Amino acid sequence: DAGVTQSPTHLIKTRGQHVTLRCSPISGHKSVSWYQQVLGQGPQFIFQYYEKEERGRGNFPDRFSARQFPNYSSELNVNALLLGDSALYLCASSLGGKADTQYFGPGTRLTVL
Amino acid sequence: AQSVTQPDIHITVSEGASLELRCNYSYGATPYLFWYVQSPGQGLQLLLKYFSGDTLVQGIKGFEAEFKRSQSSFNLRKPSVHWSDAAEYFCAVADLISSGSARQLTFGSGTQLTVLP
Repeated sequence: DAGVTQSPTHLIKTRGQHVTLRCSPISGHKSVSWYQQVLGQGPQFIFQYYEKEERGRGNFPDRFSARQFPNYSSELNVNALLLGDSALYLCASSLGGKADTQYFGPGTRLTVL
Repeated sequence: AQSVTQPDIHITVSEGASLELRCNYSYGATPYLFWYVQSPGQGLQLLLKYFSGDTLVQGIKGFEAEFKRSQSSFNLRKPSVHWSDAAEYFCAVADLISSGSARQLTFGSGTQLTVLP
């Protein structure tokens, strides 16, 4: 079975631009979470979606948004990119219950110049 | 807010030696705890998890971890380290999202493991 997939693998943008990152969950998983991992730190929670609805949001500005599609795949959008947005963006999928285990994809490395 | 502390930023061990990585958490209720491993440029791979029951949990690749409520700890151990274990290790606690309907992961800052030949 395929694991969590993310695209693209790497991305280079300039300040002020917009970026869209994509994630496909494990088959049968209905929940997708997004995390930001800045170099040298642990991942930080950005969003969680379940059945196309946002269930939770971390402490990130409104420049960050996301959505989930009927096939449970998800997009993370970041507007007006800042240098500080440079990070590894990780997507995790889970079944959607409270006592779930989250399984991570390989991540998208975003560099903002 | 809940938190996870990994006191050791970097640990170096020789191949074949035993390993213990420390993790302390701050959480009001019974925690759901995880250990993940991350190789350079890669995503996170789940090593093991604790939800309830037996406080000694076994994971993949020969790793185990022990939940000690009295010490608020969930240390990761391996009796004999292999060179392929060199990676970064993250401890995490699953914290309830504000809606109460699901959990998010709160991670420690990680411990980088170097294995000497």
